[in-house]
Amino acid sequence: AQSVTQPDIHITVSEGASLELRCNYSYGATPYLFWYVQSPGQGLQLLLKYFSGDTLVQGIKGFEAEFKRSQSSFNLRKPSVHWSDAAEYFCAGLSNDYKLSFGAGTTVTVRA
Amino acid sequence: GAGVSQSPSNKVTEKGKDVELRCDPISGHTALYWYRQSLGQGLEFLIYFQGNSAPDKSGLPSDRFSAERTGGSVSTLTIQRTQQEDSAVYLCASNVLQGTGELFFGEGSRLTVL
Repeated sequence: AQSVTQPDIHITVSEGASLELRCNYSYGATPYLFWYVQSPGQGLQLLLKYFSGDTLVQGIKGFEAEFKRSQSSFNLRKPSVHWSDAAEYFCAGLSNDYKLSFGAGTTVTVRA
Repeated sequence: GAGVSQSPSNKVTEKGKDVELRCDPISGHTALYWYRQSLGQGLEFLIYFQGNSAPDKSGLPSDRFSAERTGGSVSTLTIQRTQQEDSAVYLCASNVLQGTGELFFGEGSRLTVL
């Protein structure tokens, strides 16, 4: 089945440190992949997306993600985390029938 | 409107009662999705509407769940004879083109079934 998996349920990172969130996918051909963020009490916001082309994609809020076909991964990164980055992050993939399927999410806690 | 609007934002109901959750998508968006987010879980796809096509209901967990979309705009998700396991946040999303995946989400309706 076409799906995405986020292996990490919770990550704690110090403010100013780098962050990497893992996402693995199981889709055929070239998948459409996305990262969304859900801040406390708010709806989901699209951070970035990958459809094709350059495997390193830039998003909003200083985030980037790299598509690696050999590893079936689409990991999200940020070089220096701010306290406002504390949120839940969801990887998602678009299936052939246009359903967007989400991973279970990774909660990021930022410590001072 | 400026964004996807959902109401009510919070709903507490007793087991066995019916509930209706409303979603008002972004004007001009032809696709509308419903997802369910349970505590500690990811987002579970429920149903989506695209224009005048028959909706994809493959994610509805039981026949107690139904949804309709009137006039290609506002959608209502109805849960009949609610159960405690229906407690969750129900999220609505819309986008302008089917298949781009760039969904715009509302803030959700939190349902608590006592």
